[in-house]
Amino acid sequence: KAGVTQTPRYLIKTRGQQVTLSCSPISGHRSVSWYQQTPGQGLQFLFEYFSETQRNKGNFPGRFSGRQFSNSRSEMNVSTLELGDSALYLCASSLEGLAGGFPDTQYFGPGTRLTVL
Amino acid sequence: TQLLEQSPQFLSIQEGENLTVYCNSSSVFSSLQWYRQEPGEGPVLLVTVVTGGEVKKLKRLTFQFGDARKDSSLHITAAQPGDTGLYLCAGAGKSGGGADGLTFGKGTHLIIQP
Repeated sequence: KAGVTQTPRYLIKTRGQQVTLSCSPISGHRSVSWYQQTPGQGLQFLFEYFSETQRNKGNFPGRFSGRQFSNSRSEMNVSTLELGDSALYLCASSLEGLAGGFPDTQYFGPGTRLTVL
Repeated sequence: TQLLEQSPQFLSIQEGENLTVYCNSSSVFSSLQWYRQEPGEGPVLLVTVVTGGEVKKLKRLTFQFGDARKDSSLHITAAQPGDTGLYLCAGAGKSGGGADGLTFGKGTHLIIQP
C-alpha cells in the first residue's frame, strides 16, 4: 500500500510569512503526528491529531498549528515565520497513535524541507 | 537539557567491525523505540522494547532495554555498509508527566566504510 506522502518536499519562505504543509497518511490510519527535525535539537514532537481532534501537543509556540480532515489528511501551519523555523518537518501516521506509553507503529513520510530566509 | 542522550554522536568504522550505541535518560519510560533514518527519508522503526531488561534481536542488531527502563543500547555485529544511517532512540510514556508523544534523542550518525 502507498506510504505517507508529504507536500511540498521543499519550500523557501521569508521571515514573517506563513506556510502550510500537507500530509496524507496511509489509508486506514487515523492518527497523524508532526515533528520538527533540526541539527541542533534533533526530532521534536509538535502535535498529534486523531479522528480530527488534537490529542497531544508538544512544547511549541502557538504559531504552530494544525488540523486534520475527515479523510485523515492533515495540514500544519506556521505563522509569522522566524529564521529558527528552518527545519525538516516530518509527519507520521499510525492506526491508533501515541496514546499512553505504548505507541502504535509510526510510519514517517519523507518530510518537507522548509528554509526561512 | 536533552531528555534522551545518545552516544556517540558520530561513529565511523570499517565493515565487519562490531559497535554499540547508547541511549540514556534520567527519566523512566514505558517503552522505547529505535529508528534508522537515511538521507532524504523519514525514520523507519526497527524495534520497540517495553520490559525492563528485555533483549530483542533483529538479524545482526541486538537491542536491550535497561532494567530500570531509563536506558537502552543497540549493538551491531559485523557491520555492513547498508547499516549506514542516523540511529534514533525515542521514549514514550515518560514518568513525571509532560506531553504525550515520542521523545527523541539527537541520534547517532553511523558510517560503515567498505
